[in-house]
Amino acid sequence: AQTVTQSQPEMSVQEAETVTLSCTYDTSESDYYLFWYKQPPSRQMILVIRQEAYKQQNATENRFSVNFQKAAKSFSLKISDSQLGDAAMYFCAYRSANGANSKLTFGKGITLSVRP
Amino acid sequence: DVKVTQSSRYLVKRTGEKVFLECVQDMDHENMFWYRQDPGLGLRLIYFSYDVKMKEKGDIPEGYSVSREKKERFSLILESASTNQTSMYLCASSPIPGRGSGEQFFGPGTRLTVL
Repeated sequence: AQTVTQSQPEMSVQEAETVTLSCTYDTSESDYYLFWYKQPPSRQMILVIRQEAYKQQNATENRFSVNFQKAAKSFSLKISDSQLGDAAMYFCAYRSANGANSKLTFGKGITLSVRP
Repeated sequence: DVKVTQSSRYLVKRTGEKVFLECVQDMDHENMFWYRQDPGLGLRLIYFSYDVKMKEKGDIPEGYSVSREKKERFSLILESASTNQTSMYLCASSPIPGRGSGEQFFGPGTRLTVL
């Protein structure tokens, strides 16, 4: 079974600075997807960024980018120019590319606070 | 925009009550999911459904059942609510793999308190 580990329960960053959130996963599969989701306080969970395992290029979405290290099974999220609105809980998630459903395995999440 | 709605944001029930949590999605997604979210435990999958009237147990199905009579609606049922079922419940939907990356779209959540 796949597992996703987010070892840091909390992090803090100064506004306008850069922060990196760590995620590791364990799988025996070669084809899969990885996601970072954001859950702001009392608000809906939304997708931040996704990465297909077969792509070597790291995904980027505006101020958000990932460092995908397939051999190390590591998938970290970098947030550049942090803003107050980035304060949220962030979840890393894994999905197998095989199978007939889109079931996700989530990490325990990390709470990011942004200091003004 | 994909929209996933849940019937209540906050719910308070008494021990032993039968509780229904409703979820509706408007994007014709085949897959629907129910999770519970607890501090320090992340999201844990209770049940999912990959088609109408089809369901599969997730990681923590005990004490729960589900119903999917229509494609857009997925209900979570607590047959006899207990205090250890006090939690945040999240519903999600997604298209079948092959139609995108299988990204899941989430509802706003229902915070259930069982007294």
